[in-house]
Amino acid sequence: SQKIEQNSEALNIQEGKTATLTCNYTNYSPAYLQWYRQDPGRGPVFLLLIRENEKEKRKERLKVTFDTTLKQSLFHITASQPADSATYLCALVTGGFKTIFGAGTRLFVKA
Amino acid sequence: GAGVSQSPSNKVTEKGKDVELRCDPISGHTALYWYRQSLGQGLEFLIYFQGNSAPDKSGLPSDRFSAERTGGSVSTLTIQRTQQEDSAVYLCASSPVRISYEQYFGPGTRLTVT
Repeated sequence: SQKIEQNSEALNIQEGKTATLTCNYTNYSPAYLQWYRQDPGRGPVFLLLIRENEKEKRKERLKVTFDTTLKQSLFHITASQPADSATYLCALVTGGFKTIFGAGTRLFVKA
Repeated sequence: GAGVSQSPSNKVTEKGKDVELRCDPISGHTALYWYRQSLGQGLEFLIYFQGNSAPDKSGLPSDRFSAERTGGSVSTLTIQRTQQEDSAVYLCASSPVRISYEQYFGPGTRLTVT
């Protein structure tokens, strides 16, 4: 069956460190993979998109990798700040634009 | 410009009643998505519309759920004969897809079925 898995446990890190979040999937062949941030009581906010033929994408302190052989994406936040505390969702976009979201990983950055 | 708006923000209804949830997407966005998010859970895909193509309804959980999009803009999600398990936050998103696949989400409608 098709599955998207993200770290179910919350990730606690110290301010200034790099946070690394994992997204694994099975039985999908996504055209794109996206990462979103969601704060409590709000809708998700788009962060980054990476295509199936791209290995890495960067935007400011964010970096995403995409390994279609391992069926895995890693999401990194460098020099993390307390304001980065949120839930981070990965999403797979199939060829027909249908988008499937993972359950998300909660990140807590301590000052 | 204005983002995606949804109404109502909160809806409490009795079991068995019908409800309509509205989504106003960003002007010019050709794709519109509906998702459902239960407490502490991820987003569950329900349906999406893209331009004039037939909608992808593969995520609708039962025939009590339906959605329409009029004039390529506003969308309404209708839930008939609501059940308690329908209680969740219903999120709408729009996307310019032909330009970018990023989705812009509304604030959601919190539905509570008593």
